[in-house]
Amino acid sequence: TQLLEQSPQFLSIQEGENLTVYCNSSSVFSSLQWYRQEPGEGPVLLVTVVTGGEVKKLKRLTFQFGDARKDSSLHITAAQPGDTGLYLCAGCPNAGNNRKLIWGLGTSLAVNP
Amino acid sequence: DAGITQSPRHKVTETGTPVTLRCHQTENHRYMYWYRQDPGHGLRLIHYSYGVKDTDKGEVSDGYSVSRSKTEDFLLTLESATSSQTSVYFCATNDRGQGYEQYFGPGTRLTVT
Repeated sequence: TQLLEQSPQFLSIQEGENLTVYCNSSSVFSSLQWYRQEPGEGPVLLVTVVTGGEVKKLKRLTFQFGDARKDSSLHITAAQPGDTGLYLCAGCPNAGNNRKLIWGLGTSLAVNP
Repeated sequence: DAGITQSPRHKVTETGTPVTLRCHQTENHRYMYWYRQDPGHGLRLIHYSYGVKDTDKGEVSDGYSVSRSKTEDFLLTLESATSSQTSVYFCATNDRGQGYEQYFGPGTRLTVT
């Protein structure tokens, strides 16, 4: 069974701090997606990484896909209260005819003013 | 963002009653999905559709059925609701298939008493 483990599970920081959250697996993925979910809403896609070693930036958010395409990280610089939410990663398996997304359990981030 | 709406947004029902949740999309996406989200379990796929009248089971399909008579509508029915089906239900859509970026509705919070 393919799993995606996210860490930390919970994170509470002050406004202005930097943070990194991780999404790890022992399996290879053809692509990996990051979503943010705010309370009472559905997940919203932030980015998709496809190539091993790829780095993508979205304003203060930096996403990296591991060289072996087994892991990914999300770094937030100078966090703001608006970054508060549940961050989910989801991977597309590298093999198989009917490849279903594998979801992590998420990192719940609280940024305090 | 895909135009995806879910109805109702909140529902309280009694054990043993049938319940139908509706997902409506305006993006003409071929694929539609129903998930449930529970603490400690994350997002779990219930059923999905790959076209009108074409549906298949996900990982937690017992006690649920679906129907898709039009491209834009995907219905999830709890045949006889149980307390274990208390959850937040999300509909998602895309036009590339299961392993690709998905666009989520706002969710339905269902409580079975």
